[in-house]
Amino acid sequence: NAGVMQNPRHLVRRRGQEARLRCSPMKGHSHVYWYRQLPEEGLKFMVYLQKENIIDESGMPKERFSAEFPKEGPSILRIQQVVRGDSAAYFCASSPTDGNTEAFFGQGTRLTVV
Amino acid sequence: AQSVAQPEDQVNVAEGNPLTVKCTYSVSGNPYLFWYVQYPNRGLQFLLKYITGDNLVKGSYGFEAEFNKSQTSFHLKKPSALVSDSALYFCAVRDRRVYKLSFGAGTTVTVRA
Repeated sequence: NAGVMQNPRHLVRRRGQEARLRCSPMKGHSHVYWYRQLPEEGLKFMVYLQKENIIDESGMPKERFSAEFPKEGPSILRIQQVVRGDSAAYFCASSPTDGNTEAFFGQGTRLTVV
Repeated sequence: AQSVAQPEDQVNVAEGNPLTVKCTYSVSGNPYLFWYVQYPNRGLQFLLKYITGDNLVKGSYGFEAEFNKSQTSFHLKKPSALVSDSALYFCAVRDRRVYKLSFGAGTTVTVRA
């Protein structure tokens, strides 16, 4: 059973470009979470999704950021018109419907905006 | 609302000595509590969790944690630290009624030989 797969591992974008980060949850997991980790900081919750539904997006910036988890395919975190402050590590986690099971994390995507 | 506090940014211990990483939490309902470890440029690895039952939870790599409801704490412990335990440790909490995990700021553990 493969773990949570994130790609790309590293992404470099120029200011104003779009960044698309992908996350494939573990097999059998229907819950996906995105977190952002800024240098020297902890993990900040961004969004929680189930298939085709955004359940909690209280941590998402109001502009430029969006997330989806379609019926088929990976979850996507999209950042439009990136700025230098978006440079961070973005982690995806997944968990099954069973609420007692821990969330499993991917290796992260390190976004650098130049 | 739910939150986690890790009062120490850094913990330094000598190899072979006991290691403790502190965590206190706040949650409106009953908590699920977790510890994760992060090595440089890697994702988070699960160490252990408290769901229900025994307050003392044993996890991976010789780590354990004690759930203390009255003090709202979930401190991570290891009786004898190894140099390879040097990493960034995160405590996390979620209310049983929701799925969202809230993390502490992390504690950097350095174990010197």
